[in-house]
Amino acid sequence: RKEVEQDPGPFNVPEGATVAFNCTYSNSASQSFFWYRQDCRKEPKLLMSVYSSGNEDGRFTAQLNRASQYISLLIRDSKLSDSATYLCVVPRGGFKTIFGAGTRLFVKA
Amino acid sequence: DVKVTQSSRYLVKRTGEKVFLECVQDMDHENMFWYRQDPGLGLRLIYFSYDVKMKEKGDIPEGYSVSREKKERFSLILESASTNQTSMYLCASTGTGELFFGEGSRLTVL
Repeated sequence: RKEVEQDPGPFNVPEGATVAFNCTYSNSASQSFFWYRQDCRKEPKLLMSVYSSGNEDGRFTAQLNRASQYISLLIRDSKLSDSATYLCVVPRGGFKTIFGAGTRLFVKA
Repeated sequence: DVKVTQSSRYLVKRTGEKVFLECVQDMDHENMFWYRQDPGLGLRLIYFSYDVKMKEKGDIPEGYSVSREKKERFSLILESASTNQTSMYLCASTGTGELFFGEGSRLTVL
């Protein structure tokens, strides 16, 4: 089993739709989690941190389920500009981090 | 504005050549990283450094070495490039958690 697994997609959704991605992880000791966004041919950038209590930033909500060892990202009212690859990131220990392979999202007009 | 700069966006090298990838950050971060990104595999850590002249192997260090002579600069070296090292290479730095990435260096080894 991979340390971090994501559904690669692609997810094709219309503007205004709500879409959710899950990311499962194997290291039960992981304490903090992140979602990064990567636009085509660009570098990854931090989207959100994921706390035990969840985290919400505008249209984006991140949740953590420790019992089932997954984190989720919910995007409401999708915009064309949300089209990107979303990377799940799980710190392994120290400054080592494990990146998921990413989930591709296409939002269409 | 924070900045991580990678010296070359695109490189084409021949098998057996020595390749240098340079990365400079202006945020006074102590921790710097080199990743490679391949389709379906995500980002994989090659090496990282938590201080000048300090380095640690990541998950895939074979065929690579690094150099950190100054705090702001972290170099990735391919001593003898091979075709399986064709990839996107991303440098990153962090102070307390968030990783800041450079724009990437796409290396093709023929």
